[in-house]
Amino acid sequence: RKEVEQDPGPFNVPEGATVAFNCTYSNSASQSFFWYRQDCRKEPKLLMSVYSSGNEDGRFTAQLNRASQYISLLIRDSKLSDSATYLCVVTRGGFKTIFGAGTRLFVKA
Amino acid sequence: DAGVTQSPTHLIKTRGQQVTLRCSPKSGHDTVSWYQQALGQGPQFIFQYYEEEERQRGNFPDRFSGHQFPNYSSELNVNALLLGDSALYLCASSLANRGPGELFFGEGSRLTVL
Repeated sequence: RKEVEQDPGPFNVPEGATVAFNCTYSNSASQSFFWYRQDCRKEPKLLMSVYSSGNEDGRFTAQLNRASQYISLLIRDSKLSDSATYLCVVTRGGFKTIFGAGTRLFVKA
Repeated sequence: DAGVTQSPTHLIKTRGQQVTLRCSPKSGHDTVSWYQQALGQGPQFIFQYYEEEERQRGNFPDRFSGHQFPNYSSELNVNALLLGDSALYLCASSLANRGPGELFFGEGSRLTVL
């Protein structure tokens, strides 16, 4: 079993839709949590950090449930430009970062 | 403000050869991490360098080694290349005092082993 697991998708949604991605992690010692975005054949870029209290950045909302070892990302009012792979990331051991395999999103007009 | 730069962008090697990849971190960053990303997978952590020392290592064999220089730039060396080493190698820089998860990536070096 992988330490960080994501639904690979792809998710195909129309513009304006709301879409949610889930991520689970297996190591309870995981310390901090992030979502990254990776466009096709580009490098990953930090989208947002994830806090236990939840956090929102415009159309994006991230949630963390430590008890269930579960992270989510909600995208409202999807845009064509949101099409990308979304990577769930956890850190542990002070310096180690573990990436999920990513969830692919296609937003269509 | 220059971001993370990596070289070369593409290279082709044959099995058994050795390769060196280079990375210059974002200005002001002091920590460099290396990742291997196979097609359709997320980046896999190779190791991290801080103050010219390897601070953490992922599950990669000793064929993978690295170095950090006083100017914070870094090299990744892979010896005795295998077909399975074909991948995108990503360098990421960060600030040690911001924790390990806020990473700025370069565009990567795409290695093909024939």
